[in-house]
Amino acid sequence: GQNIDQPTEMTATEGAIVQINCTYQTSGFNGLFWYQQHAGEAPTFLSYNVLDGLEEKGRFSSFLSRSKGYSYLLLKELQMKDSASYLCAAELPQAAGNKLTFGGGTRVLVKP
Amino acid sequence: DSGVTQTPKHLITATGQRVTLRCSPRSGDLSVYWYQQSLDQGLQFLIQYYNGEERAKGNILERFSAQQFPDLHSELNLSSLELGDSALYFCASSVEAGGVTEAFFGQGTRLTVV
Repeated sequence: GQNIDQPTEMTATEGAIVQINCTYQTSGFNGLFWYQQHAGEAPTFLSYNVLDGLEEKGRFSSFLSRSKGYSYLLLKELQMKDSASYLCAAELPQAAGNKLTFGGGTRVLVKP
Repeated sequence: DSGVTQTPKHLITATGQRVTLRCSPRSGDLSVYWYQQSLDQGLQFLIQYYNGEERAKGNILERFSAQQFPDLHSELNLSSLELGDSALYFCASSVEAGGVTEAFFGQGTRLTVV
């Protein structure tokens, strides 16, 4: 089966850094995606990791450790517009239909 | 704009009724995925089609069905609707069925069952 866990909520201050952790247990694994979703809107792609290590994209970075079944999304220099849900998703291999399995999402609230 | 189009944006219907949600994928994308998102819940995978054929099935109820047509648009049919079916239904598309590929999401259809 597949199990993806992430914290439900986090609060941080504008200008600060927040790290959102994601642990996963899947029977197969291609890569790990992070999506941002504002309330009532469509998820939008932030990053993906296939290999172990850190991927940096401007203010957002994502890290993956395949051996530990662990990823995190790092948001730097937080802005008010970063208040949203952040979804961790594991992509299963082709034999399983290449579907994205999502965690429950972490709601991040940025305060002034 | 992701390039994925979903219609209608909002739908209000009564219990017991049947509705059809429509999705047009990005140009060139062969895979279509359907997800359900209830209030304050995560995205639940329902079903995936690739080039007209069902590829993967998730937690899709028997009252729900989907298909992908030759022009690659997809429809999700929800029947015998219950109050608990009220949710946002998202469609996503990607180029391939295999490998690590990014999925692009439509803006969703908000279904309210009263």
